[in-house]
Amino acid sequence: QPALTQPASVSGSPGQSITISCTGTSSDVGGYKFVSWYQQHPGKAPKLIVYDVTNRPSGVSNRFSGSKSGNTASLTISGLQAEDETDYYCSSYRTTSTLVFGTGTKVTVL
Amino acid sequence: QVQLVESGGGVVQPGGSLRLSCAASRFTFSNYAMHWVRQAPGKGLEWVAAITYDGSNEYYADSVKGRFTISRDNSKNTLYLQMTSLRVEDTAVYYCAKRLQSWEFDYWGQGTLVTVSS
Repeated sequence: QPALTQPASVSGSPGQSITISCTGTSSDVGGYKFVSWYQQHPGKAPKLIVYDVTNRPSGVSNRFSGSKSGNTASLTISGLQAEDETDYYCSSYRTTSTLVFGTGTKVTVL
Repeated sequence: QVQLVESGGGVVQPGGSLRLSCAASRFTFSNYAMHWVRQAPGKGLEWVAAITYDGSNEYYADSVKGRFTISRDNSKNTLYLQMTSLRVEDTAVYYCAKRLQSWEFDYWGQGTLVTVSS
């Protein structure tokens, strides 16, 4: 079960916007609306920040937004802050009733 | 606040078995599908298995199919993961996670570490 492809690292300056991509296939990202994004700080459990491609759970900052085009989903973090520096993972439902995660992206705030 | 507490992790030899538990509280456990997700040291997240709210259906990653069994006891608000024929590559922190509405997880446990080593 190959993982979804994410860039290993993305960086930006405080206040800037950055975008993390998540590339799959028509059997996962491209075929379903069930794409989610998680933020994970070191030693902590992941935190859901976007689900169903564009939805944010209650309490999650509106600086986080999701989108999808074809087989690629994207997470945009606007107004980058120091606290955003950590790891991010996408996930998608895949045909065969399984879930696949992305390879993970480390965000660095310069 | 929803609470998920995993237990049962430890050190086991290759080929051995282990059963993980996840005690759930502060929500109606029997209404939600539940999942196990793992993370090898320094690596990314890997989905392991899922079970429907009533235990009638189970789903597994190819990497664990035939070796791991997910189950639940709704009377005890507890999720389980029975792991057999363990391999070195099964070494990871194992998290239980609660479904939000489809295939995303709004609450996670703190994780329990499983180390497979001789």
